[in-house]
Amino acid sequence: EVQLVESGGGLVQPGGSLRLSCAASGFTFSSYWMSWVRQAPGKGLEWVANIKQDGSEKYYVDSVKGRFTISRDNAKSSLYLQMNSLRAEDTAVYYCARRSSSWDYFDYWGQGTLVTVSS
Amino acid sequence: AIRMTQSPSSFSASTGDRVTITCRASQGISSYLAWYQQKPGKAPKLLIYAASTLQSGVPSRFSGSGSGTDFTLTVSCLQSEDFATYYCQQYYSYPLTFGGGTKVEIK
Repeated sequence: EVQLVESGGGLVQPGGSLRLSCAASGFTFSSYWMSWVRQAPGKGLEWVANIKQDGSEKYYVDSVKGRFTISRDNAKSSLYLQMNSLRAEDTAVYYCARRSSSWDYFDYWGQGTLVTVSS
Repeated sequence: AIRMTQSPSSFSASTGDRVTITCRASQGISSYLAWYQQKPGKAPKLLIYAASTLQSGVPSRFSGSGSGTDFTLTVSCLQSEDFATYYCQQYYSYPLTFGGGTKVEIK
């Protein structure tokens, strides 16, 4: 059974940093692109970033470019999101998601971890 | 960025109803469209990809159609567990974008 378990969320002040983690199991992690998708409270879904199987390609939504970094450790079957210079508008539930084997849609999602940026 | 517009944003329906949700892309995306269902406090669940292909394990009362800029998600006979919010997502180009969501509520 595919499982994605996020951790690392919490309360952080504006301008601060946070690192999210996603532990994957139940599939060959190194064979899949992985993604982060977020959802602000009461709002819709927003794709944040994708990373290729070997980490050689990464894509970001414009609003986080230069501030967030997606990475992975295939030996640990783990995905990460380093978030710097956080803003109030980054407040959201952050979901780890597995990209399908063929295209950029998401076939499995974690339960999410809440990031709150507030003073 | 490709803008995805869903309509309606919400509506009420009864169990057994046939319901249709529309998603429009701001430019042509061929059939690179997915639909998700999300219940309160839960992660989204993939229902349909490639505009009309049902994800494994999803009930056949769900169906999708369309290509280019106009797409629909149809639930042929609404069940109690189908009351949720539905999102479309284009994967034709980066940045990947979602529609604003359609909330289906109980009448």
